Amino acid sequence: QQQVKQSPQSLIVQKGGISIINCAYENTAFDYFPWYQQFPGKGPALLIAIRPDVSEKKEGRFTISFNKSAKQFSLHIMDSQPGDSATYFCAAIQTGANNLFFGTGTRLTVIP
Amino acid sequence: SAVISQKPSRDICQRGTSLTIQCQVDSQVTMMFWYRQQPGQSLTLIATANQGSEATYESGFVIDKFPISRPNLTFSTLTVSNMSPEDSSIYLCSAGVLSETQYFGPGTRLLVL
Repeated sequence: QQQVKQSPQSLIVQKGGISIINCAYENTAFDYFPWYQQFPGKGPALLIAIRPDVSEKKEGRFTISFNKSAKQFSLHIMDSQPGDSATYFCAAIQTGANNLFFGTGTRLTVIP
Repeated sequence: SAVISQKPSRDICQRGTSLTIQCQVDSQVTMMFWYRQQPGQSLTLIATANQGSEATYESGFVIDKFPISRPNLTFSTLTVSNMSPEDSSIYLCSAGVLSETQYFGPGTRLLVL
């Protein structure tokens, strides 16, 4: 059973556009939600993370929006650049637990 | 953050053999983990590497197949034993002070023939 559901599977965005990736979870015990960026041939890199006590977190061009009541969170990449082309994974974990549950990934392509 | 290195970066192995993957962290961390990632797919946790004691395995993964060692706070190994083509995958080490914030190594790409 997929603990974290992620969509879309792939996304093509024009340079300068906004990329939006969505995730949903069921387990209300999850209280930490990181996003990872993975380039081909590399390991995932921690991009940005949020806890459910805030509805939004912004770091540069990357913003996480969090809707606790809907159990959904999303990553927004503003002014998307070709260098942002990568696979993005959302994840969720309960504080103190070991298992970081990953979404299925979104392959983002930003075209010039 | 922690910088994590893995060796080997890739290998091609014959079925029935074993491969040991090394993971080195540049700073002392509390938590170390091993994941498997099929190409183009998500990550699945194999086990938590515990210093000085047996690793904690997730459902579907067993010690006989994936023995893990962690002799100190900065080093761990994962062995893939008695390999079959189904073991072809990317094996990733991650580490962090807390389990919530995990930093990943570059991965080991394994092909079993």
